[in-house]
Amino acid sequence: DQQVKQNSPSLSVQEGRISILNCDYTNSMFDYFLWYKKYPAEGPTFLISISSIKDKNEDGRFTVFLNKSAKHLSLHIVPSQPGDSAVYFCAASSFGGTSYGKLTFGQGTILTVHP
Amino acid sequence: DTAVSQTPKYLVTQMGNDKSIKCEQNLGHDTMYWYKQDSKKFLKIMFSYNNKELIINETVPNRFSPKSPDKAHLNLHINSLELGDSAVYFCASSQGGSISNQPQHFGDGTRLSIL
Repeated sequence: DQQVKQNSPSLSVQEGRISILNCDYTNSMFDYFLWYKKYPAEGPTFLISISSIKDKNEDGRFTVFLNKSAKHLSLHIVPSQPGDSAVYFCAASSFGGTSYGKLTFGQGTILTVHP
Repeated sequence: DTAVSQTPKYLVTQMGNDKSIKCEQNLGHDTMYWYKQDSKKFLKIMFSYNNKELIINETVPNRFSPKSPDKAHLNLHINSLELGDSAVYFCASSQGGSISNQPQHFGDGTRLSIL
């Protein structure tokens, strides 16, 4: 039962253009969402997060949008840079209750930014 | 000044052996986690400790035994290793567990290969 899905295994973008990575979830109890970036042979690195009380959060070139009714979130990177080439994971958790902050991850999207 | 460090980075061993993976965080966090990334690249929670107390145990075979000597360390011991245990194991830490929306910070992973 895959509660967090990233349906695009890969995305290729030209340098300077916008990268849009998408994520869908099924569990309506999720109320905190995160994006991680991962380079080969390294651990995931936290990028940006959003709680369910917001629909947008921005940090520099990175913006995350949350559409709760559609159970969908997206990460926008603009402008994209070659150094952004990595695997991007979407993750979700429930605040409080018995989930104790555990993250449920999507399967990742490989982003390639061409110079 | 690595925030979350795991040792060893690579572990190659034979079926049936017992092995341990160590994790240490110097972020002052009170919650630590173990995740497994399988061959399909999914990252899945295995265990979580909050202030040395086990709070998440996700249907993991009892051959896996986590131990937290203090809140800065969470080790993973695996008995009678099987072929299916081959994976990358990631340690992570965060502050507050389920009572605060704080991102988890990951180590670089331990690549376990069973021969």
